[in-house]
Amino acid sequence: NAGVMQNPRHLVRRRGQEARLRCSPMKGHSHVYWYRQLPEEGLKFMVYLQKENIIDESGMPKERFSAEFPKEGPSILRIQQVVRGDSAAYFCASSPGTGVYNSPLHFGNGTRLTVT
Amino acid sequence: DAKTTQPNSMESNEEEPVHLPCNHSTISGTDYIHWYRQLPSQGPEYVIHGLTSNVNNRMASLAIAEDRKSSTLILHRATLRDAAVYYCILTYGQNFVFGPGTRLSVLP
Repeated sequence: NAGVMQNPRHLVRRRGQEARLRCSPMKGHSHVYWYRQLPEEGLKFMVYLQKENIIDESGMPKERFSAEFPKEGPSILRIQQVVRGDSAAYFCASSPGTGVYNSPLHFGNGTRLTVT
Repeated sequence: DAKTTQPNSMESNEEEPVHLPCNHSTISGTDYIHWYRQLPSQGPEYVIHGLTSNVNNRMASLAIAEDRKSSTLILHRATLRDAAVYYCILTYGQNFVFGPGTRLSVLP
């Protein structure tokens, strides 16, 4: 029973490049959350998606960041024109979606983005 | 926002019980209380959750105050592998908003 899979595990990008982070939720899960964690800090909510829908993107920076969760395939967090301040660990979590408040989140092990 | 307050850090001795407190005075009637923990270099891991009644599972127990304004995560016998940051979370809308958590150190 595969858990939440994130890849790549580590990603190095130069300033100005694009970063694409992938998240495959657990089988049967239709809800995906993305969080960002700066070194020595807590997790900051970024975006909550269902298949083909963005439910809440209140935590996403308004520029350069976008997320999608297509009908087929993994969820993608895309960061355009990366800057050093984007260096962080990005975690994806999934849930089955039924009884949102009552369903625990299952997290991946994250993608650690380093911008040089 | 439905917010939680936790101590920044706590220490425990190995094989002793640990009580991790969480205050959530602004909790609403439909908010579930979730606990997660994060080991170094890993993603958060679900521990336990509840609404009104105390809950037990193989990892821990959750004691919820009668007025629901506070809760306590209980690790019955701490091990070195329990050293982690523990997050107490209330659902907000459809989000899970994490605070800074409590860093638990377990001493051998």
